Amino acid sequence: NAGVTQTPKFQVLKTGQSMTLQCAQDMNHEYMSWYRQDPGMGLRLIHYSVGAGITDQGEVPNGYNVSRSTTEDFPLRLLSAAPSQTSVYFCASSYSRGGEYGYTFGSGTRLTVV
Amino acid sequence: AQSVAQPEDQVNVAEGNPLTVKCTYSVSGNPYLFWYVQYPNRGLQFLLKYITGDNLVKGSYGFEAEFNKSQTSFHLKKPSALVSDSALYFCAVRDGGNNDMRFGAGTRLTVKP
Repeated sequence: NAGVTQTPKFQVLKTGQSMTLQCAQDMNHEYMSWYRQDPGMGLRLIHYSVGAGITDQGEVPNGYNVSRSTTEDFPLRLLSAAPSQTSVYFCASSYSRGGEYGYTFGSGTRLTVV
Repeated sequence: AQSVAQPEDQVNVAEGNPLTVKCTYSVSGNPYLFWYVQYPNRGLQFLLKYITGDNLVKGSYGFEAEFNKSQTSFHLKKPSALVSDSALYFCAVRDGGNNDMRFGAGTRLTVKP
């Protein structure tokens, strides 16, 4: 049981390049989300998904796309990277069953856009 | 949408003294409240949560938090701080009626020997 796996751990992009941050979970959680962490701003929600085939925007969705073709995977795509997207990105998955609620984070991807 | 405020960017305490990290929240429905800790260059680690039940919640590493509905607060506490508690602490809230969780800006705790 690996939990939430994010790849890569580090990435440097040039302005205008595109890339996909991968996120996979093996806990059969329905809900997955992407956050970015910036100094003094905490974690801000980018996009989330309540199940396969369903995605929605969070607080800061501009410049990012997501898809959820399977329960396990929730990739985050940067279509045209900008320096403002330099950040640490966290993927999370969660469940809510029978009054219990759990939230698991990946270890993060540190992205630098130059 | 729900929101969280952590009014202190930085909290400094001496080792052995009690510590408090403050958090207030705003939700339209029933709050699910969480505390996470982040050590340098690491991901977020779960400390404790309040869903329902007793207002005093005990969590990992000797931390506890008190849910106060009238003050909409969920302050994190520890009776005796350790130098190893120095880290970045995040409060988070989920509105029971929806799925996304919102985080505060974080409070950096420094415990000095």
